[in-house]
Amino acid sequence: DGGITQSPKYLFRKEGQNVTLSCEQNLNHDAMYWYRQDPGQGLRLIYYSQIVNDFQKGDIAEGYSVSREKKESFPLTVTSAQKNPTAFYLCASSISPLGGSEAFFGQGTRLTVV
Amino acid sequence: KQEVTQIPAALSVPEGENLVLNCSFTDSAIYNLQWFRQDPGKGLTSLLLIQSSQREQTSGRLNASLDKSSGRSTLYIAASQPGDSATYLCASSGGGADGLTFGKGTHLIIQP
Repeated sequence: DGGITQSPKYLFRKEGQNVTLSCEQNLNHDAMYWYRQDPGQGLRLIYYSQIVNDFQKGDIAEGYSVSREKKESFPLTVTSAQKNPTAFYLCASSISPLGGSEAFFGQGTRLTVV
Repeated sequence: KQEVTQIPAALSVPEGENLVLNCSFTDSAIYNLQWFRQDPGKGLTSLLLIQSSQREQTSGRLNASLDKSSGRSTLYIAASQPGDSATYLCASSGGGADGLTFGKGTHLIIQP
């Protein structure tokens, strides 16, 4: 089945630790995105990538980093510089890097700082 | 900067009712608008995508309309069922590469 797979589903981070969230898609989509969701707020864009080896900062990129070495993979690293990382993280993809195509989402990773 | 607002924030109705969820946006120069469903603790499921040139889209009991001039979209759910209980999100695209702008969602409860 085609889709977007995020792992792990739950992740716990200690203070000062970097953690990496995985996002893999087999839809052959060019564009991939990372969003953060907090209770009572809309989804906010962290990073996006239009093509392999290229990515751009979104609205709340501070404390996060990404890579796009393969078309199907777009991992997100939450660094120790992110002061409030507890949130639900969602990865998405769309076939076109421009805004005309439908976006598809993974099942999310819930990150908790302990 | 585009802002998307969804009203009401929460809605509870008896099973079988027809209902309308509202979405408004401040910049009418959108490329498309997408409606999603989110179940608790889950990702987003795409329901309907309306291109800026379209007025409405239908899928089963769902019908979404788009009025760019007034900056509004509505999601109509016919003959609601308890399984429709979820949070419904709308999101607009400006046609650029930087993804979607989301509303905060409407939390819908259908009472059996």
